Amino acid sequence: GAVVSQHPSRVICKSGTSVKIECRSLDFQATTMFWYRQFPKKSLMLMATSNEGSKATYEQGVEKDKFLINHASLTLSTLTVTSAHPEDSSFYICSAAKGQGAAYEQYFGPGTRLTVT
Amino acid sequence: AQTVTQSQPEMSVQEAETVTLSCTYDTSESDYYLFWYKQPPSRQMILVIRQEAYKQQNATENRFSVNFQKAAKSFSLKISDSQLGDAAMYFCACFQGGSEKLVFGKGTKLTVNP
Repeated sequence: GAVVSQHPSRVICKSGTSVKIECRSLDFQATTMFWYRQFPKKSLMLMATSNEGSKATYEQGVEKDKFLINHASLTLSTLTVTSAHPEDSSFYICSAAKGQGAAYEQYFGPGTRLTVT
Repeated sequence: AQTVTQSQPEMSVQEAETVTLSCTYDTSESDYYLFWYKQPPSRQMILVIRQEAYKQQNATENRFSVNFQKAAKSFSLKISDSQLGDAAMYFCACFQGGSEKLVFGKGTKLTVNP
């Protein structure tokens, strides 16, 4: 199998605080992980690509200082939303690619719903 | 730029009937993959079917099949013998080998009527 977990599944935080979301590949090593954002009733938008041991590559318009990504091991990537504001409220989904050169084969986590009050 | 277009925001089908969801894409690369993903109310993205661009034969997975028209850049999904559990958002997506990005369409909400 290829299972990807995310924690937490839901989080509510106050404006100005930071929140960390974890993405783990449970039964495979993921050289590359991806972070997506999904607004209500909208599609998934790629935020950044994360490679183990190197800096993440952010998509145009995504603030790298606000959305900190760390891919410290082959099974864990984290997304930290710093100084969160209500407009950061969204559904965040990660995915993990199973092998090198196979970034097309992505397995998705169940998502994290972030609400900033 | 890589784009994926789903022109049907919503579709409905009677249980046991067949429905086709449309998707067109645009890419400048010859190395790419096409996908249909299902997102039920749980929000978990589930891979339905995948098509490698270099393969001429249309992919099939049980009740799900695609009509891949490479020249027309069209990639439609046919669901046969629709079941209540098929009700979900369906996203068409294209992965370009060069950029290594998965780009999604806006989705089609499928309702299955009993």
